[in-house]
Amino acid sequence: GNSVTQMEGPVTLSEEAFLTINCTYTATGYPSLFWYVQYPGEGLQLLLKATKADDKGSNKGFEATYRKETTSFHLEKGSVQVSDSAVYFCALSRRGGGTSYGKLTFGQGTILTVHP
Amino acid sequence: EAQVTQNPRYLITVTGKKLTVTCSQNMNHEYMSWYRQDPGLGLRQIYYSMNVEVTDKGDVPEGYKVSRKEKRNFPLILESPSPNQTSLYFCASSLARRVDTGELFFGEGSRLTVL
Repeated sequence: GNSVTQMEGPVTLSEEAFLTINCTYTATGYPSLFWYVQYPGEGLQLLLKATKADDKGSNKGFEATYRKETTSFHLEKGSVQVSDSAVYFCALSRRGGGTSYGKLTFGQGTILTVHP
Repeated sequence: EAQVTQNPRYLITVTGKKLTVTCSQNMNHEYMSWYRQDPGLGLRQIYYSMNVEVTDKGDVPEGYKVSRKEKRNFPLILESPSPNQTSLYFCASSLARRVDTGELFFGEGSRLTVL
């Protein structure tokens, strides 16, 4: 079955530091890949996405590239802010129709804390 | 305002006492889904529905039931809750054609404790 593995957290950084959160996946076919963010006390929000190999998703200074050869989708940001403190989830879904369309698989989440 | 509304937001109950967590969306979305969030395990999908009267099991359906009699509602039913169902539950919805692009709207979560 499909699976998503994220780097263990929590991650603690100082403001303006460089961020990388690793994500690798196992899936049949060519899934769509996502990063979601969960701020304290809230539901998840889609941060960025990539639907095919070599696509780069980007939003709010974050970016991630769909690497089919290494089955990875690492999240990066060049300069984090205190307001980026949240839980980040890597996820995948099957593209197209057919069985299992609608099944989303999430990683375990990485807690990010950014200090001033 | 477009939203997914879950109720109750917090609940403490006892083993075996049937309960229902409601989920309602006002965006005319075909797709709705339930997840549970547990430390170290991330979000795991319980059930999902692609449209009215169409439901499918996710990865952890045991101990849960769902129904989709109306497009806007997707209640999660725990017939006989047990302590291992203590968790944070999220409902999500999307247009069916947007599911594979990850454009889900999530509710604010329902924290359930089973004693």
